[in-house]
Amino acid sequence: EEQLVQSGAEVKMSGESLRISCKGSGYSFSNYWIGWVRQMSGKGLEWVGIIYPGDSETRYSPSFQGQVTISADKSTSTAYLQWSSLKASDTAMYYCARLFPRATGYMDVWGKGTTVTVSS
Amino acid sequence: EIVLTQSPGTLSLSPGERATLSCRASQSVTSSYLAWYQQKPGQAPRLLIYGASSRATGIPDRFSGSGSGTDFTLTISRLEPEDFAVYYCQQYGSSPRTFGQGTKLEIK
Repeated sequence: EEQLVQSGAEVKMSGESLRISCKGSGYSFSNYWIGWVRQMSGKGLEWVGIIYPGDSETRYSPSFQGQVTISADKSTSTAYLQWSSLKASDTAMYYCARLFPRATGYMDVWGKGTTVTVSS
Repeated sequence: EIVLTQSPGTLSLSPGERATLSCRASQSVTSSYLAWYQQKPGQAPRLLIYGASSRATGIPDRFSGSGSGTDFTLTISRLEPEDFAVYYCQQYGSSPRTFGQGTKLEIK
């Protein structure tokens, strides 16, 4: 079964760093793009960016460029989303999803999400 | 950036009725790269439709998608109790990928 398993909920203070993860299984992780999506409480879905684990090519939404870093380790089939200095406005649910069949692909397999809470 | 506008914001219908959800793009969507997702409270989104009109694996045939260019529609032919949720459209042909703001389908 193809699945993405995300790391657990995080509670952090403003200014701290954080890395959350998304581990794929049941398919060739290196060969499909992974995307990250933000959902603030009670709000809609926002595109953060995508990464190709095979060569770590990364593309960001202009709204998130410079605010987060997306990375991947193909040896462990894991993608990451990280912040160097969290803000209260980063509080949200973050989903990872597989893009099928390429970068211009729809999101067919989703993780359950990681809740990030940042206190000021 | 392509802006997707969904209407209505909230749709109140009864089980058994037909639901029609609209997604309008600010510019033409490349190659009909338009998807629809369903999200229930406390759950991740689920892919329903891709390529504007192709049903994803395991999606019942009461769900159908249509449209091209800038106007797209998701139709649920006969609402089941489990269909009441929030629905999002997304274009994935242009960068940045963008989502509509969502349509909440609620029980009347």
